[in-house]
Amino acid sequence: LAKTTQPISMDSYEGQEVNITCSHNNIATNDYITWYQQFPSQGPRFIIQGYKTKVTNEVASLFIPADRKSSTLSLPRVSLSDTAVYYCLVGLNSGYSTLTFGKGTMLLVSP
Amino acid sequence: EPEVTQTPSHQVTQMGQEVILRCVPISNHLYFYWYRQILGQKVEFLVSFYNNEISEKSEIFDDQFSVERPDGSNFTLKIRSTKLEDSAMYFCASSDGGTTEAFFGQGTRLTVV
Repeated sequence: LAKTTQPISMDSYEGQEVNITCSHNNIATNDYITWYQQFPSQGPRFIIQGYKTKVTNEVASLFIPADRKSSTLSLPRVSLSDTAVYYCLVGLNSGYSTLTFGKGTMLLVSP
Repeated sequence: EPEVTQTPSHQVTQMGQEVILRCVPISNHLYFYWYRQILGQKVEFLVSFYNNEISEKSEIFDDQFSVERPDGSNFTLKIRSTKLEDSAMYFCASSDGGTTEAFFGQGTRLTVV
C-alpha cells in the first residue's frame, strides 16, 4: 500500500482558499487518490477522487501533477464549518480496496 | 439522500460481555465494512464483507469478532467477549463497489468498563 504524508495541522481564516498537499512517492500505476473529511464524532465523508491532472466538484478541487507523487486538495473560500480532519488515501479504485487512513490534516478555520 | 444508519449511538458494556453493533447499509450497495477509531487515533479497518462472506480482515479482527448479514438489510458486528481496549467508535460503511467512495454511518461509541 502506498504510504501518504500530509501536514498534521493547518490554520486558515474564513473566506480564504486552503490547499492541503499530500505526498505519496510510491503510488502504484493503478492507484487512485481519494480525499475524505471527518468532523468530530462523525464518520469520514468522501470529498473527491482523482487519478491524474485536475478534478473539480461542488466541494473541492484535486490537483495531481504528472508524476502523481503528490496531490493537492483545494478548498475554495473556507468557512467555519470546514474545520475538520482531512485524509488523503491512495489505493485501487474498487469496493474491494480497503481504505487505509493515516493521521490526516486537522484544518482549523477561524473567523 | 440515502445514508448508512447505525444503532445504538452509544453502548456501555462490562468487560467480558458480548455486544452486537448494528448497521443498515445503503440499500443497493454490495460492499460492507466495519472500521473503528479509538479516541484521538486514526480510523482503522476491521473487515470487509461482500457476497455474504468476509472478503478481507485486519489483524485487529481476531476470533473475538464476527460479522453477519442476517437479512437483506442489516449488517452486524459482534464482539464476543469485550475488553477494555475495545472501547472505540465503530463505523459501518457501504459502497456500491464501483469506486472507493464509501458511505459511513454516524458510528457507535462503545465504552467497555
